[in-house]
Amino acid sequence: TQLLEQSPQFLSIQEGENLTVYCNSSSVFSSLQWYRQEPGEGPVLLVTVVTGGEVKKLKRLTFQFGDARKDSSLHITAAQPGDTGLYLCAGAEYGGSQGNLIFGKGTKLSVKP
Amino acid sequence: EAGVAQSPRYKIIEKRQSVAFWCNPISGHATLYWYQQILGQGPKLLIQFQNNGVVDDSQLPKDRFSAERLKGVDSTLKIQPAKLEDSAVYLCASSLAGDRWTQYFGPGTRLLVL
Repeated sequence: TQLLEQSPQFLSIQEGENLTVYCNSSSVFSSLQWYRQEPGEGPVLLVTVVTGGEVKKLKRLTFQFGDARKDSSLHITAAQPGDTGLYLCAGAEYGGSQGNLIFGKGTKLSVKP
Repeated sequence: EAGVAQSPRYKIIEKRQSVAFWCNPISGHATLYWYQQILGQGPKLLIQFQNNGVVDDSQLPKDRFSAERLKGVDSTLKIQPAKLEDSAVYLCASSLAGDRWTQYFGPGTRLLVL
């Protein structure tokens, strides 16, 4: 089973700061997704990246898929308290059954006002 | 549009007892998933259904866990007997059959085994 390593595990910043979280693997994924999970709720899909080198933007969030499709990053500009939550990356295994997502352990982000 | 519904939201049981969780997916979603999320971990897929058939249950501990989706809509996940290490959040998700990479998650059932 392919593994996804996320870093950092925890991040506490002040409102207005920028941050980047990382998702790395030694294996190649056919696609990679980012989710945000708030306490007591299920994960909510933010974005899916499919093509190596792909960059997608969602308001203040920028997602990048590595050229070799082994890693991804999420950059947040001017973080706000509403960005607080657990950020999970999830990958689709090559040759795995459709819908079988492999999740990382997540980065817990806290944005203080 | 209503999201994925799960019940109960919380459950506390003693080890060796049995417990069942219920999930109602988004209307029209043929594919249903059960995940286990242990504290500090990401979700781990336990079982995937396509309508009422099992697509993948390779990570389901079949000696104590069972799941069914008899009419291809609602699903139940059962643990019998429960162990301390089963304490976790059990998440249900659903998707369209043609887009299994876009999954919608319910709020989860938080299980504590004492």
